[in-house]
Amino acid sequence: DQQVKQNSPSLSVQEGRISILNCDYTNSMFDYFLWYKKYPAEGPTFLISISSIKDKNEDGRFTVFLNKSAKHLSLHIVPSQPGDSAVYFCAASGDSGSARQLTFGSGTQLTVLP
Amino acid sequence: SQTIHQWPATLVQPVGSPLSLECTVEGTSNPNLYWYRQAAGRGLQLLFYSIGIDQISSEVPQNLSASRPQDRQFILSSKKLLLSDSGFYLCAWKGVSVGMAFFGQGTRLTVV
Repeated sequence: DQQVKQNSPSLSVQEGRISILNCDYTNSMFDYFLWYKKYPAEGPTFLISISSIKDKNEDGRFTVFLNKSAKHLSLHIVPSQPGDSAVYFCAASGDSGSARQLTFGSGTQLTVLP
Repeated sequence: SQTIHQWPATLVQPVGSPLSLECTVEGTSNPNLYWYRQAAGRGLQLLFYSIGIDQISSEVPQNLSASRPQDRQFILSSKKLLLSDSGFYLCAWKGVSVGMAFFGQGTRLTVV
């Protein structure tokens, strides 16, 4: 049973426009959420995170929104750039300060077209 | 600053051969360590995690094992590889009070 789901395996966006990547979760014990970006043949790199006490966190061009009632989070990238083309993984944790592992979604391949 | 090293970057092994992938972390002590696998077209699956020396938790039954002989060293092993063991293996570390995990560069394993 997938506790973290990314239902869109791919997304194409024109350069300069907004990219919206979505993620849904089922485990109500999750209280910390992260987005990672991954290029081919490389390890994922941390992008942005949000705690369940917030509904929005912004860092430059990246904003993560959390809707706890819907168990849904999204990553907005504005404006999108060709260098943003990568696989984006959503991840969730049940305890931000513990050894608890991160549960990852299956990823969304973002392609930003020049 | 903290760094994580994982090697080798790529590996081609015959079915039935043993496996040993190594991961070391620098610049931190007592990290939580993780092994993930990304199978083709799939997400990241947690294989093992460790909160200390010789303390290993397995998340899925499989043909693999993990060991942590030193505080900042995490090893993924197999006695006999299967074709289904092919994939992209990632080591990660996380501080006890830090929410995010940091990943190594990964190892592309192809079992032939």
